[in-house]
Amino acid sequence: EADIYQTPRYLVIGTGKKITLECSQTMGHDKMYWYQQDPGMELHLIHYSYGVNSTEKGDLSSESTVSRIRTEHFPLTLESARPSHTSQYLCASGGRQGGTTEAFFGQGTRLTVV
Amino acid sequence: GQQVMQIPQYQHVQEGEDFTTYCNSSTTLSNIQWYKQRPGGHPVFLIQLVKSGEVKKQKRLTFQFGEAKKNSSLHITATQTTDVGTYFCAGWGSGGYQKVTFGTGTKLQVIP
Repeated sequence: EADIYQTPRYLVIGTGKKITLECSQTMGHDKMYWYQQDPGMELHLIHYSYGVNSTEKGDLSSESTVSRIRTEHFPLTLESARPSHTSQYLCASGGRQGGTTEAFFGQGTRLTVV
Repeated sequence: GQQVMQIPQYQHVQEGEDFTTYCNSSTTLSNIQWYKQRPGGHPVFLIQLVKSGEVKKQKRLTFQFGEAKKNSSLHITATQTTDVGTYFCAGWGSGGYQKVTFGTGTKLQVIP
């Protein structure tokens, strides 16, 4: 079992609230990713990082932000939640810079914005 | 940017029938990976292919990487109900800061 953790697993929150989804890995991976996925559908890359102080926006336009102050921690923040943000958010990590190892996924956070 | 498409999007098969999903990239890939996501779960790594024309087998699963390194396939022989899930390919681009792009996925349903 991979050592990558997401909290919370489930979250119901009101419109306009600010939320932070946590993701931590203990494998020392440089690369970390955030995906948004509706049940059984495509994985949409929203942010990624190749290491500390490195963050990039993914292919899906998102109103979220990320930070990478420590190798093991890659939190995702929504400044003002909207019903359109309702989805599952998956964090993944994989390998070191220059390598292409497998991606390990966390269990996901299922977010509902009411 | 790099796009990775999979067909079919959905497939229903009778238990015991074979199943194939195809993955096509808009650009040449340095390698390709396959993942399986069970209903309600998260994607789990199955295999990685690196060489042009490479074929790998895992029990009833056969994975192939195209000669041009732009396409791949996953074939399951004699499907079982445990094969149910969504299968994603994931392609790594070339260059210094490589990025992985997941395919659109194929959802497999196996009818007992």
